[in-house]
Amino acid sequence: GEDVEQSLFLSVREGDSSVINCTYTDSSSTYLYWYKQEPGAGLQLLTYIFSNMDMKQDQRLTVLLNKKDKHLSLRIADTQTGDSAIYFCAELVAGGFKTIFGAGTRLFVKA
Amino acid sequence: NAGVTQTPKFQVLKTGQSMTLQCAQDMNHEYMSWYRQDPGMGLRLIHYSVGAGITDQGEVPNGYNVSRSTTEDFPLRLLSAAPSQTSVYFCASSYSGTGRMGNEKLFFGSGTQLSVL
Repeated sequence: GEDVEQSLFLSVREGDSSVINCTYTDSSSTYLYWYKQEPGAGLQLLTYIFSNMDMKQDQRLTVLLNKKDKHLSLRIADTQTGDSAIYFCAELVAGGFKTIFGAGTRLFVKA
Repeated sequence: NAGVTQTPKFQVLKTGQSMTLQCAQDMNHEYMSWYRQDPGMGLRLIHYSVGAGITDQGEVPNGYNVSRSTTEDFPLRLLSAAPSQTSVYFCASSYSGTGRMGNEKLFFGSGTQLSVL
């Protein structure tokens, strides 16, 4: 079945770049997403990439997609303390009406 | 815009009690879903609906019922609460759930923290 895996924790210093990695199993996924969850809140979409793209840049965010290895990454440039949150990788399964989420990576940003 | 509204925010139940978590959206979305969030396990899909009168099971449906009598509302019912159902529950909606209208991001409610003693 479908599965999305990501590491659980990442710690970086303020001003450094953060890279969060994710692997997924369903090669028919149409869209891949990064959602952000701040404490006590629901998830909000951070960025997304369509499955026929290799890269997408949006201000401080860069998403890289390697379809061959089914690997997705999110790079946050110039990481700030306000970026501390849980980041979820997710895939929209083609024709399945399902968005499958990874376990989430908790990003700690040290001042 | 209200978006997705969930009630209650917090709930404590005793084992065996029943309750309904409410979810409403005002964006005229066809697709609505319920997830539970547990530490280290991310979000797991409980049930989803692709329109009024249509529901289907997700990954972890046991112990939960849903119905969709209107486009706006998608309540989640716990029939006989068990400690294993202690979790944070999120309702989410999107336009169609298929991606046919673009990236179709999910809009999430703020969650219900449920404890079953």
